[in-house]
Amino acid sequence: QKEVEQDPGPLSVPEGAIVSLNCTYSNSAFQYFMWYRQYSRKGPELLMYTYSSGNKEDGRFTAQVDKSSKYISLFIRDSQPSDSATYLCAMRNAGNMLTFGGGTRLMVKP
Amino acid sequence: EADIYQTPRYLVIGTGKKITLECSQTMGHDKMYWYQQDPGMELHLIHYSYGVNSTEKGDLSSESTVSRIRTEHFPLTLESARPSHTSQYLCASSRREHNYEQYFGPGTRLTVT
Repeated sequence: QKEVEQDPGPLSVPEGAIVSLNCTYSNSAFQYFMWYRQYSRKGPELLMYTYSSGNKEDGRFTAQVDKSSKYISLFIRDSQPSDSATYLCAMRNAGNMLTFGGGTRLMVKP
Repeated sequence: EADIYQTPRYLVIGTGKKITLECSQTMGHDKMYWYQQDPGMELHLIHYSYGVNSTEKGDLSSESTVSRIRTEHFPLTLESARPSHTSQYLCASSRREHNYEQYFGPGTRLTVT
């Protein structure tokens, strides 16, 4: 069983929709939770990170962590065609290494 | 402008050839990483470095080797390429204390025929 599970999609939504991307994990030692965005033929770039449980908001993006359920989410409000990309969740344990999910491919249609 | 560079971006090479994938960063980061990424799959850590003269193997077993002679440079070498090495290779760097924020290069897509 993989430590981090992520629905690969693709997820197709109309412009302006609210998008919900999710990951589940099995390792309770994870402490930092990240979302990376990867455009086609590019490397991933960090969108947001949270430490432990709770919510964090940055513009149209909200990251949510529920450690009791081992579940993290990324919400995108007012989605734009420029948000079309693959979104990777990642988690860091006490050993300081990152474990990535397989990514969810998002397509926002104009 | 701070950045991380990888060359070549694309490489098609025959079985048995020796190859070196280059990675350089201008951010002065101590930590550097090599990941392997197949389409639709997770990034798997194959090598990392805490600084000059430090190299460690990652979670994914790899026949490649790395070196870290200068802070900014972290090349990856395959002594004898095989078709099973066909993949995308991503280089990344981070500050020592904030490794949750990793900066990635654009990747090298390697095809071994």
